[in-house]
Amino acid sequence: SQTIHQWPATLVQPVGSPLSLECTVEGTSNPNLYWYRQAAGRGLQLLFYSVGIGQISSEVPQNLSASRPQDRQFILSSKKLLLSDSGFYLCAWSLSGTETQYFGPGTRLLVL
Amino acid sequence: AQSVTQLGSHVSVSEGALVLLRCNYSSSVPPYLFWYVQYPNQGLQLLLKYTSAATLVKGINGFEAEFKKSETSFHLTKPSAHMSDAAEYFCAVSEGDTDKLIFGTGTRLQVFP
Repeated sequence: SQTIHQWPATLVQPVGSPLSLECTVEGTSNPNLYWYRQAAGRGLQLLFYSVGIGQISSEVPQNLSASRPQDRQFILSSKKLLLSDSGFYLCAWSLSGTETQYFGPGTRLLVL
Repeated sequence: AQSVTQLGSHVSVSEGALVLLRCNYSSSVPPYLFWYVQYPNQGLQLLLKYTSAATLVKGINGFEAEFKKSETSFHLTKPSAHMSDAAEYFCAVSEGDTDKLIFGTGTRLQVFP
């Protein structure tokens, strides 16, 4: 069966520091991968979407970036965090050609 | 363009009462529709999905949703609420020409004893 992992689970970072969040999927090949942000009291905002290695679509202009160095690995990064980057970050995967998405446990990021 | 509207950001019910969470969609193509549940500090879990088969879709934990094309609705119901149903619920619609989903802003369900 397929599983999706995210780490770290919780992160507290100072403003201006770099960020790297990792997401990996097991048990499937060539999945679509997604990064979402969920700010307090708000819905899900799609940040990045990937259909394959090195193929990243950015949905929202911001100081975040994403990379997919391997088929089942998706990384969310920032060179300098802003206070507004605080939130709950969710990674998800879906089979190519299907819409059902399966979510990881999330990473809670607090920027101080 | 596809969109989803969830009416009511907060819904409160008593344990044993009917749960009704509302979702209306807008789509230029036959939609695929989803309900997800999120428990505190966790990821989203798929409750059920509509993919153009039966209009009444049964999901996990006793939830079901009915696709009504004439009303462009996909409301989520459960006959009898349980304390463990307290969570946030998200409705989503397929974007149409990609595998992406458009999510609603969520409805937080509270269940009182």
